[in-house]
Amino acid sequence: DIQLTQSPSSMSASLGDRVSLTCQSSQGIGNYLSWYQHKPGKPPKPMIYYATNLADGVPSRFSGSRSGSDYSLTISSLESEDTAIYYCLQYDEYPLTFGSGTKLEIK
Amino acid sequence: EVQLVESGGGLVQPGASLKLSCVASGFTFSDYWMSWVRQTPGKTMEWIGDIKYDGSYTNYAPSLKNRFTISRDNAKSTLYLQMSNVRSEDTATYYCILNYPGIPFAYWGQGTLVTVSS
Repeated sequence: DIQLTQSPSSMSASLGDRVSLTCQSSQGIGNYLSWYQHKPGKPPKPMIYYATNLADGVPSRFSGSRSGSDYSLTISSLESEDTAIYYCLQYDEYPLTFGSGTKLEIK
Repeated sequence: EVQLVESGGGLVQPGASLKLSCVASGFTFSDYWMSWVRQTPGKTMEWIGDIKYDGSYTNYAPSLKNRFTISRDNAKSTLYLQMSNVRSEDTATYYCILNYPGIPFAYWGQGTLVTVSS
C-alpha cells in the first residue's frame, strides 16, 4: 500500500500567516493527490484535487503544489475559519490511502 | 443540491452484523461511482471501498474485504454497506461519498456513528 506522511502533525499560526502543510508519498503517484478540510461536526470538504486544482467554492488563498513525491497545501494568508484538520489522499492506485492529518490551529 | 443521508449506525455488539444505508438526491445516482470512508475516534481516515455506477464492480480495502460488502440500488438511489462480524476497531463514523470523474470524494454525507461494544 502507498503510505502518505503528513507533516507537521499539528501546528499553530497567527492570522495572516502563510502556512504550508506537507504530504509525502512513499511511491510515485503522479498528480493523483487531493486535500480535504475537516471541521468538527461537519463532513470533510474537498479543497484540492489532482495536486493543484482548486475545488469549487474554495477560497483563492488556498493552493496546492507538487515537488517530486512531496505535495503541499498552502494558505497564503491564514484566516480564523481555516482552523481544521487537513488530510491528503492518494487515488493513484488501490487501496486508496489517506495521510494521518495535520491539525491547524490559530495562535 | 447534492444530498447524501446515511443511516443505520448505532451501538452494536462484537460479532454482530450491521447494514448502513445512504440515500442520495440532487444528482443522477446511477451515473456515478460511490464510496464509503470511515473516521475512527482517533481521527484516522480509512477508505473502505467503492462501487461502480451500475453496481457491477467493487473495490475494497484489503483488511476489510472479507467482512464488508458494498452494494447499491439505483432504483432507490441508495448505497449500502453491509458489515459482518464487527469488532471494537470498527467503531467509527461512516461516510457515504459521491465521486465525480477526476474529482475523488467530491461530496460527503454527514456520517453515521457505529459503536461496537458489549
